[in-house]
Amino acid sequence: GAVVSQHPSRVICKSGTSVKIECRSLDFQATTMFWYRQFPKQSLMLMATSNEGSKATYEQGVEKDKFLINHASLTLSTLTVTSAHPEDSSFYICSARLSGRGPNEQFFGPGTRLTVL
Amino acid sequence: AQSVTQPDIHITVSEGASLELRCNYSYGATPYLFWYVQSPGQGLQLLLKYFSGDTLVQGIKGFEAEFKRSQSSFNLRKPSVHWSDAAEYFCAVGEGAGNTPLVFGKGTRLSVIA
Repeated sequence: GAVVSQHPSRVICKSGTSVKIECRSLDFQATTMFWYRQFPKQSLMLMATSNEGSKATYEQGVEKDKFLINHASLTLSTLTVTSAHPEDSSFYICSARLSGRGPNEQFFGPGTRLTVL
Repeated sequence: AQSVTQPDIHITVSEGASLELRCNYSYGATPYLFWYVQSPGQGLQLLLKYFSGDTLVQGIKGFEAEFKRSQSSFNLRKPSVHWSDAAEYFCAVGEGAGNTPLVFGKGTRLSVIA
C-alpha cells in the first residue's frame, strides 16, 4: 500500500512551453502533498506544500506564478512549469502524506525528469 | 528550525566490508527520523524509520540504524555491503504530527569497490 505515482517520468520540451506533472496517490487519500526539486548530485529542496482544496504554500524563492500547483482532489496534485527555460531542467519529486496516519510519514513518487531545450 | 547534517559527502567501501553512514539532526522535540536510498535517476526508497520505542531500528536490505538522543544522531549501518548498495543515501527528519514536510540532509554517495 501507500503508492505514489508520477506522470510523466521523463519529459523534454522547448523553451517557452509549459509542462504539467501529475502526482497521484494510488491507494490512499492525501490531504497534503509536497513538491521537491533535485539538481544533479544534490539533495531534495522543498518547493511547495500542496493542500487539497486550498492554495499551495510556496517556499521562499520559488515563483508561484511559474510553478503552478493544483490539488483538486485527495489523490491528485499537479505541478505546471509555465514558460519553461533551460534552468528549470531538473528532477521533480512529489510526496504524499497519508491522511490521518500517525506520525509524519510521507510516501514519495518516482520522480519526473524535466529537460528544457 | 529542524536541520539534518550528513558529514560525509562520499564514502567508498569494499564489497563485503561494513558500512556506517552518519546523520546528525537538530530538532527541539522528539524527532521522527528516516533513511532513504536513491539510485541514479530514480526516486526515493524508504530504508527505515524511527518514531519511538526501540532505538535500534531494522530496515530493508539488511540495513539498521540507531537513534542516540544524547548525540542527536541516527547513523545507518550495514554489516556487509553488496555492490548493489552503491547509491545516494539521504537522512531526513520530520515532526510528529501535522503536515510539515521532511527536512533532508545533503546526502552521502556510497561507492562500492570489488
